[in-house]
Amino acid sequence: AQKITQTQPGMFVQEKEAVTLDCTYDTSDPSYGLFWYKQPSSGEMIFLIYQGSYDQQNATEGRYSLNFQKARKSANLVISASQLGDSAMYFCAMSPMGTGNQFYFGTGTSLTVIP
Amino acid sequence: GAVVSQHPSRVICKSGTSVKIECRSLDFQATTMFWYRQFPKKSLMLMATSNEGSKATYEQGVEKDKFLINHASLTLSTLTVTSAHPEDSSFYICSAPPGLTEAFFGQGTRLTVV
Repeated sequence: AQKITQTQPGMFVQEKEAVTLDCTYDTSDPSYGLFWYKQPSSGEMIFLIYQGSYDQQNATEGRYSLNFQKARKSANLVISASQLGDSAMYFCAMSPMGTGNQFYFGTGTSLTVIP
Repeated sequence: GAVVSQHPSRVICKSGTSVKIECRSLDFQATTMFWYRQFPKKSLMLMATSNEGSKATYEQGVEKDKFLINHASLTLSTLTVTSAHPEDSSFYICSAPPGLTEAFFGQGTRLTVV
């Protein structure tokens, strides 16, 4: 069974500062993918970043980076230089390899960027 | 980039009627699509895996006769909520993976059953 844990229901960050959103996971699958999605109030799910379990380097996509620590089973999202438009729900998700990207989601973190 | 289109974005229906939600991959083929349900201020829960040309695979606790899934082509999957009741009111969202390292979601459908 897969379990994704996001322990921060709500986070606040000052505009232009960096923020880290925590995610830990539990799985017995040897290969998996880790994803982060942003969900604004409109409801759409916006893909942010992907990390494969066998990737040696941490993934980066613009202002987003993933701090992947496989031994600790954590995949924290770091957003640098926060912008007001970053205010949204953020979901961590895991997909076991071979499932065609069937996701198991965490409970989400609500991020508010303060001007 | 890859686009997944979901329609309608909002629907209100009377209790006892059926509602069909469409999920289309616009610029790629998807042999597999996924349907999720999200309650207010909650996470997304996988309902079923839609497989092109074969039966859908439902997660435990999801009524397959209530939530009918048809994946008739490589670009279209439909979810039909049959004999809808107020407790079926929710946000339904589909996803389709163009590759192994990404998956894109539709815009979601907010269903209200009155």
